[in-house]
Amino acid sequence: AQKVTQAQTEISVVEKEDVTLDCVYETRDTTYYLFWYKQPPSGELVFLIRRNSFDEQNEISGRYSWNFQKSTSSFNFTITASQVVDSAVYFCALANAGNMLTFGGGTRLMVKP
Amino acid sequence: EPEVTQTPSHQVTQMGQEVILRCVPISNHLYFYWYRQILGQKVEFLVSFYNNEISEKSEIFDDQFSVERPDGSNFTLKIRSTKLEDSAMYFCASIGPESSYNEQFFGPGTRLTVL
Repeated sequence: AQKVTQAQTEISVVEKEDVTLDCVYETRDTTYYLFWYKQPPSGELVFLIRRNSFDEQNEISGRYSWNFQKSTSSFNFTITASQVVDSAVYFCALANAGNMLTFGGGTRLMVKP
Repeated sequence: EPEVTQTPSHQVTQMGQEVILRCVPISNHLYFYWYRQILGQKVEFLVSFYNNEISEKSEIFDDQFSVERPDGSNFTLKIRSTKLEDSAMYFCASIGPESSYNEQFFGPGTRLTVL
């Protein structure tokens, strides 16, 4: 069975602060894929990043960066210099070879001006 | 850019009624999925569909639910007799041969309200 845990249900920061969203996963598969999705108030799911289990390289995309550590089964997401438009619910998700996505409970990020 | 579309965007129905939620996946995609998100909760897998049959389903996907790809373009989710607890956002997703790392393309969702 697969499981994704996002321990932080809600985070509130002031604009320009850095914020890290935690994600811990469990799987017995050796091949798996990790994702982050953003869900703004409008409700759609916006794809942010995917990582496969064989690629532990960290990634940076603008103000976003991701830290994948297999040793701790974590795939954390950092927003640098947060902005009000970053306010959303962020979901971490895990897919096995069968492609079924298992989502975490989500972290609601509120960025105040 | 091709995208997954879903209709309607919002469906209101009475308890006990049948509803059909429609999705048009990206045209050359092969794998199709339905997910559900009850308001304020996480997104949950319902069912996956490949080669005109269900490949995997969750415990949520009971006999009240069915899926169909009736005409090679639409992918539908039917709920036979809706219950109050079926009120949720329903997302369709698809994967195509060009997608790497199992990326699923999600539609915008249909919000189902059961009264």
